[in-house]
Amino acid sequence: GNSVTQMEGPVTLSEEAFLTINCTYTATGYPSLFWYVQYPGEGLQLLLKATKADDKGSNKGFEATYRKETTSFHLEKGSVQVSDSAVYFCALSDPGDSNYQLIWGAGTKLIIKP
Amino acid sequence: NAGVTQTPKFRILKIGQSMTLQCAQDMNHNYMYWYRQDPGMGLKLIYYSVGAGITDKGEVPNGYNVSRSTTEDFPLRLELAAPSQTSVYFCASMLAGGADTQYFGPGTRLTVL
Repeated sequence: GNSVTQMEGPVTLSEEAFLTINCTYTATGYPSLFWYVQYPGEGLQLLLKATKADDKGSNKGFEATYRKETTSFHLEKGSVQVSDSAVYFCALSDPGDSNYQLIWGAGTKLIIKP
Repeated sequence: NAGVTQTPKFRILKIGQSMTLQCAQDMNHNYMYWYRQDPGMGLKLIYYSVGAGITDKGEVPNGYNVSRSTTEDFPLRLELAAPSQTSVYFCASMLAGGADTQYFGPGTRLTVL
């Protein structure tokens, strides 16, 4: 079946450091891939997405590229800020699933220290 | 648009009590979902609906029930609350499928003592 694996957290970085959060997936077809972010005390919100191989999603300085050859969708940011502290979730949507359920990773907590 | 709203924000229940978590969306979305998020964990799907009158079980449906009589509302019912149901509950909605975005409510933090 479909699955999403994220690197375990917490990830602790200093402000202005480079960020990578790894995400790999298993899927039978050609899924759409997502990164959602959950700020403290809030619900999740979409950060970025990509719908086909080699697509790059980007938002708020974050980027992720859909790599079919490595089944990965790693999240990157060149210079993190304290305000980026949050939990980040990688997810996939299987186009063969008519109910359009998202398959979620476990989440990676990011802590940015000033 | 208010988006996805959830009530209450917080609730403490005693073991064996029942309650309904309310969820409403004003975006005319067809798909709605209920998730639970345990401390330090990811999301688990409880129930979902693909339209008014249609609901189905997710990964962890035991101890819960849902109904979808209108497009806007998707309440989650807890019968005979147990400590294992202590969690944060999120409702989400989506217009269509595929690569569409799920929009989340702010969550309900439930404690069962």
